[in-house]
Amino acid sequence: DQQVKQNSPSLSVQEGRISILNCDYTNSMFDYFLWYKKYPAEGPTFLISISSIKDKNEDGRFTVFLNKSAKHLSLHIVPSQPGDSAVYFCAASVHGGSQGNLIFGKGTKLSVKP
Amino acid sequence: DAGITQSPRHKVTETGTPVTLRCHQTENHRYMYWYRQDPGHGLRLIHYSYGVKDTDKGEVSDGYSVSRSKTEDFLLTLESATSSQTSVYFCAISVSSGSYEQYFGPGTRLTVT
Repeated sequence: DQQVKQNSPSLSVQEGRISILNCDYTNSMFDYFLWYKKYPAEGPTFLISISSIKDKNEDGRFTVFLNKSAKHLSLHIVPSQPGDSAVYFCAASVHGGSQGNLIFGKGTKLSVKP
Repeated sequence: DAGITQSPRHKVTETGTPVTLRCHQTENHRYMYWYRQDPGHGLRLIHYSYGVKDTDKGEVSDGYSVSRSKTEDFLLTLESATSSQTSVYFCAISVSSGSYEQYFGPGTRLTVT
């Protein structure tokens, strides 16, 4: 059973507009959430994270929102740039569980068109 | 840059042959991980290590073994490669026991024919 779900395999956005990537989870024990970006033929790179005690975390153009009651988080990219075109993975972890092992979603491929 | 290298970067091997992938880090991080990435599956944890000679299984450990005899090296072995193990393999490190962020190496693309 998939504990972290990214239901949109792909998303296309115009340059300068907002990109919103969504992630749902089923395990209420998850207390830390992360977003990774992956370019082809490279390893994933850490983008931004959020603890379950917060509902928002912002870093430059990237903001992550967490809605615990809905078990939903989203990544907002504003404004979107062509260099943001990549696969984005949502991941979750349980504090103190299994040495901080991450459970990943299947990813969403973002295409930002000039 | 977390100082992680993986070798080889690409490998083609035949079914039934043993294969060892190496992950090397330069910063003495305690926690190291091996993942595989497949289309439609995201990243799945194979094995992880929390210190020299301390390893444990992840979600998809069948058919894989690991060893960590030195802090800087974490080896992943396919004892007898199968076509289902064709994948891209990523090594990752965690910079501290209290940190959730993991930092990934560049990956090894393995093809089993």
